[in-house]
Amino acid sequence: AQSVSQHNHHVILSEAASLELGCNYSYGGTVNLFWYVQYPGQHLQLLLKYFSGDPLVKGIKGFEAEFIKSKFSFNLRKPSVQWSDTAEYFCAVISNDYKLSFGAGTTVTVRA
Amino acid sequence: DAGVTQSPTHLIKTRGQHVTLRCSPISGHKSVSWYQQVLGQGPQFIFQYYEKEERGRGNFPDRFSARQFPNYSSELNVNALLLGDSALYLCASSLAGGPSADTQYFGPGTRLTVL
Repeated sequence: AQSVSQHNHHVILSEAASLELGCNYSYGGTVNLFWYVQYPGQHLQLLLKYFSGDPLVKGIKGFEAEFIKSKFSFNLRKPSVQWSDTAEYFCAVISNDYKLSFGAGTTVTVRA
Repeated sequence: DAGVTQSPTHLIKTRGQHVTLRCSPISGHKSVSWYQQVLGQGPQFIFQYYEKEERGRGNFPDRFSARQFPNYSSELNVNALLLGDSALYLCASSLAGGPSADTQYFGPGTRLTVL
């Protein structure tokens, strides 16, 4: 069964700092990859996705992620965070079994 | 356009009871998936339905069941509730479902508390 690992449980940083959240998955076949975000009091929203093509994908709100197939990784980055980026971030993977598998999530706290 | 809607928002039940949760997908979406999110964890896949047929099932006991209606809305049923069933239950819809390049859009969830 596939699994998704997110390296950091809680990240605390100051505004304007750079953010990188790690995500690794275990499945070796063809995968589709996602990052979802859950802002306080809101529901899960799609940040970005990778299906095929350019391994560097850009999402909403200045986020980007890079798919490195050889490392089974899909890390999320943002060059300069804002207080409004405080949220919980989930990496998710779907393969050919109809199941979207999520990591445990990373809570990001941005201090003004 | 309206997003995925779920009802009720909150629910309190006691052990042994039965619960039904409801979900309406985004207009035009034919697939609905259900997830359980326990506090501090990522969502766990329960079911996916497409065109009223079950397309996938996660590692959940038979107490959990679901169905999809001709209008593509869906119900999740849980029998013989246990304390451990307390969680946020999420519904997601997608155009076609399955492993193809298809994005799932999530509803706000139903918070179930079992006492």
